[in-house]
Amino acid sequence: RKEVEQDPGPFNVPEGATVAFNCTYSNSASQSFFWYRQDCRKEPKLLMSVYSSGNEDGRFTAQLNRASQYISLLIRDSKLSDSATYLCVVNEAASGTYKYIFGTGTRLKVLA
Amino acid sequence: EAGVTQSPTHLIKTRGQQATLRCSPISGHTSVYWYQQALGLGLQFLLWYDEGEERNRGNFPPRFSGRQFPNYSSELNVNALELEDSALYLCASSPVGWYGYTFGSGTRLTVV
Repeated sequence: RKEVEQDPGPFNVPEGATVAFNCTYSNSASQSFFWYRQDCRKEPKLLMSVYSSGNEDGRFTAQLNRASQYISLLIRDSKLSDSATYLCVVNEAASGTYKYIFGTGTRLKVLA
Repeated sequence: EAGVTQSPTHLIKTRGQQATLRCSPISGHTSVYWYQQALGLGLQFLLWYDEGEERNRGNFPPRFSGRQFPNYSSELNVNALELEDSALYLCASSPVGWYGYTFGSGTRLTVV
């Protein structure tokens, strides 16, 4: 089983739609979680951290389910500019060292 | 504030040669991370440097090496290049503690 798994997509959705991505992780000791956005041929950029209680940033909502070991990203009212690859990142910290594992990403295409 | 800068932007090498990639972190960031993003694959963790020391290493052969200088800039060296080393190499930096990486725009290495 991969350490961090994401559905590669692509998810093709119309403008204004709500879309959700899930990401599962294998290490139950993982401590922190993030969503990054990567545009085509660009570097990844931090979209948001994922907190245990869930958190929202405008149209974006992130949630963590430790029991089932997954995190999710919900995008409401999709815009054309949301088209990108969304990367899930899991931090496995142990013995003072950190290891950040990236999922392979989920591609989103928002269609006019 | 200047972001993470990487050089060169593009690098073409022949099989068996050595490549040196450079990264300057954001001012005040002490940690530098290197990732490889091969076509169609996710971000694979290569190396983490902090305060001049290698803190963690991904599952890459020893011909991938690097160092961090007193000014926190970093070099990634890849010896005995192989065709499958062709990828985008991303450097990221973070301050003390974890608040999300900031990535550079990457060096695209092509091995022919």
